[in-house]
Amino acid sequence: DSGVTQTPKHLITATGQRVTLRCSPRSGDLSVYWYQQSLDQGLQFLIQYYNGEERAKGNILERFSAQQFPDLHSELNLSSLELGDSALYFCASRAEGGPTGAFFGQGTRLTVV
Amino acid sequence: DQQVKQNSPSLSVQEGRISILNCDYTNSMFDYFLWYKKYPAEGPTFLISISSIKDKNEDGRFTVFLNKSAKHLSLHIVPSQPGDSAVYFCAASSSSGSARQLTFGSGTQLTVLP
Repeated sequence: DSGVTQTPKHLITATGQRVTLRCSPRSGDLSVYWYQQSLDQGLQFLIQYYNGEERAKGNILERFSAQQFPDLHSELNLSSLELGDSALYFCASRAEGGPTGAFFGQGTRLTVV
Repeated sequence: DQQVKQNSPSLSVQEGRISILNCDYTNSMFDYFLWYKKYPAEGPTFLISISSIKDKNEDGRFTVFLNKSAKHLSLHIVPSQPGDSAVYFCAASSSSGSARQLTFGSGTQLTVLP
């Protein structure tokens, strides 16, 4: 158990819809990262938040947005969903202050039909 | 623009032999490198890391080697066990202002044959 919790584990929705993925980081971790893993692809960095503020942006589509709340949990919002958005979405958290690795949640498998 | 590359999508090794997974990077600003292991339907788990000021780090059966001049790192698993069968991701970390980012490779599927 990494200490990072993602909900829901699975999500099936139709094209054009909007979904929200939730992440609770490890206790005390201020940084939250979101990654997308499409079929047979590597982990694509989407966005990073630190203590409520956006810190870095990767290959995140304009249809996607994220935020980190005062209690440090984060949400990734995906809108106008397309078939190609079907993927595993991972959240990771990390303690700042050193070049340590991030700890990943179990992921949310999104299927757009 | 792939800054971290794992050119071998898959690798098969006999149980008890050495597994060598390779990773190349292009960004000289990376100062920390990590390996993650991922089983199906689970999130990646941290395995081992190395700072750019070192050329080797060992943890039990796992050793990571870093060749900065070649911008290459490798993960050695000795002896390989069937339970090591998983996807292995190489990751590189750099500071970007006050943020630290993690850039991942595309992964290598390791299969250890009994």
